[in-house]
Amino acid sequence: NAGVTQTPKFQVLKTGQSMTLQCAQDMNHNSMYWYRQDPGMGLRLIYYSASEGTTDKGEVPNGYNVSRLNKREFSLRLESAAPSQTSVYFCASSEAPLDRRVWPQHFGDGTRLSIL
Amino acid sequence: AQSVTQPDIHITVSEGASLELRCNYSYGATPYLFWYVQSPGQGLQLLLKYFSGDTLVQGIKGFEAEFKRSQSSFNLRKPSVHWSDAAEYFCAVGVGGGYNKLIFGAGTRLAVHP
Repeated sequence: NAGVTQTPKFQVLKTGQSMTLQCAQDMNHNSMYWYRQDPGMGLRLIYYSASEGTTDKGEVPNGYNVSRLNKREFSLRLESAAPSQTSVYFCASSEAPLDRRVWPQHFGDGTRLSIL
Repeated sequence: AQSVTQPDIHITVSEGASLELRCNYSYGATPYLFWYVQSPGQGLQLLLKYFSGDTLVQGIKGFEAEFKRSQSSFNLRKPSVHWSDAAEYFCAVGVGGGYNKLIFGAGTRLAVHP
């Protein structure tokens, strides 16, 4: 099925380890996003990429880095994992921004990450 | 600053009963509003969206939502709930101006009793 694909689906890390979460979309969308979901807090934006070649910080960027590898792929890296980064991570994509119009975002199924 | 409030953390309804999930937003301009649903272990699926025009919008799975500017609300409704509607529901406001970002509420978890 067309959509947003995230890998891996589950991961357990030890404190201080590094890891890259992968995301790819096949809808030819220009914009891509990384969120984290924690109980009672909804989804919070970590980083986003409005178009290929650009990335910007969201609400909670500390401890993360991103790479927009090409139009399809947007990866999230944890350089030195901390227990506070235990969460469910979602990647999303959307059409490019157009003036003030806001497009719906399409989400992957998430990566469940535990840091011990 | 933009924000979304979903006052109800948990709601339980009986199958066949009507449903209304509340959403209040804070945004300076005309808002773009969305409702998403998340089933356990899944990603978020778009239920419906409001961009402009008719304030009552229809979505998938028999859901509808009404935009009320005077109350800064965008409540989600369904006339008759099915057991398969048990999930978590998120309201979001869109921030445009070249950013296309969504601000999410904390979510409302819906349980359905048989």
